Formats: sequence, C-alpha cells, structure tokens
Amino acid sequence: GDSVTQMEGPVTLSEEAFLTINCTYTATGYPSLFWYVQYPGEGLQLLLKATKADDKGSNKGFEATYRKETTSFHLEKGSVQVSDSAVYFCALSGDSGGGADGLTFGKGTHLIIQP
Amino acid sequence: DAGVTQSPTHLIKTRGQQVTLRCSPKSGHDTVSWYQQALGQGPQFIFQYYEEEERQRGNFPDRFSGHQFPNYSSELNVNALLLGDSALYLCASSGGTIYNEQFFGPGTRLTVL
Repeated sequence: GDSVTQMEGPVTLSEEAFLTINCTYTATGYPSLFWYVQYPGEGLQLLLKATKADDKGSNKGFEATYRKETTSFHLEKGSVQVSDSAVYFCALSGDSGGGADGLTFGKGTHLIIQP
Repeated sequence: DAGVTQSPTHLIKTRGQQVTLRCSPKSGHDTVSWYQQALGQGPQFIFQYYEEEERQRGNFPDRFSGHQFPNYSSELNVNALLLGDSALYLCASSGGTIYNEQFFGPGTRLTVL
C-alpha cells in the first residue's frame, strides 16, 4: 500500500537558518503530494501541494518539488522564523486526486526555531 | 465563510461504550473524510463519504462506522470502545472547484478510560 516516510524530529534550528525536511513516498500511479502544518493548539492546515511530476508547490516562503525519479517531496525554506515552529506532515493521495482519495500521512516532523 | 466544524471538542468515555462525533463541512464541499490521530503520530485515514455513501475505507475495523446526511454533514460512530481508540479525530472536507485539497476541522479529542 501507499506510504510516506519523513525525517524524525524534533528538528531545532536558529532563526534565519535554512530548513530542509525530507519526505519520500511509495505509491502506485501518480499521486498528488502535500505538506500540512499543525501549529500548537490548532488543526491541520494545508501548506502547499503538487499534483504532477516536476511541479513545485510554494507558500509563505516554503517550497517543495515533486520528484518522481527519487519519489521525494522535500520541504525547504531559505530563512526560518520563530513563528514557523510547528509540526509538519508530508502526505499523499491516490492518483484520482486529493478530494477523491483518503490521504496517507507521514508521522510528522516537529520543528523548533530558536531566536 | 465558516470552515470545517466538529463537535464536541472533547469527550471522555469508558471501555465498551459507544460514541458519536459530528462534522459540518466547509461551505460548497460535498465530501467528508475522517482521520484518527494518535498522540505523536500522523493522521490515519478511516473512511470517506460522498453522496451519502462510504466511498473509500482505510484499515479500520467495523466498529468504526459513519453516515453522511443530505446537507453533507457527517457522523463518525465508534462501538465497543477500547483504550486504544483514545485519539484526536479529525474531519476533513473537500469538493467544489479545488477538488484535490482537503480542509481540516479542529478535531475532537476522545479519551477512553
């Protein structure tokens, strides 16, 4: 079945550091890929998405590129802020689109940004 | 525009009891999915409802059942509760023009004693 593997946390960085959170997946067909963020005490929010190979999703300074050859969707940000501290989840849906299929999530990466 | 809403916020039950959780989707959405998120883990897909029918199901036992109403709201029912059912239950809705995005509610925290 489908699966998502992301780097274990917590990941602790200083403010303005460069961020990479690795995510790899196993799926049949051509899944859509997502990054969700969960801020303390809040629900899951969609951060960005990519629906086909070589697509780049971006939002709030975060980026991720859908790499089918390496089955990866790594999350990056050039300069993190304290307000980016949260838990980040990589997820995929089947190739019929995220609205039609249940999402498969990774275990989450807790990001801590220190001032 | 109200987002996805869930009720109740918190719930405490004892083993063997039954529980019903409720979800109202975002305006314009017709599909509701339910997820279980154990502490420190990623959400796991339970099932999805569309046009009042279960369209897809994850790897959960039959103790977990659901329903979707004509107004697209949904219920999740769990029978014969086990300690291991303690988790955050998330509802997500999708549909409309952006079909491949799921919008999540704040969740219901279920504690089974």
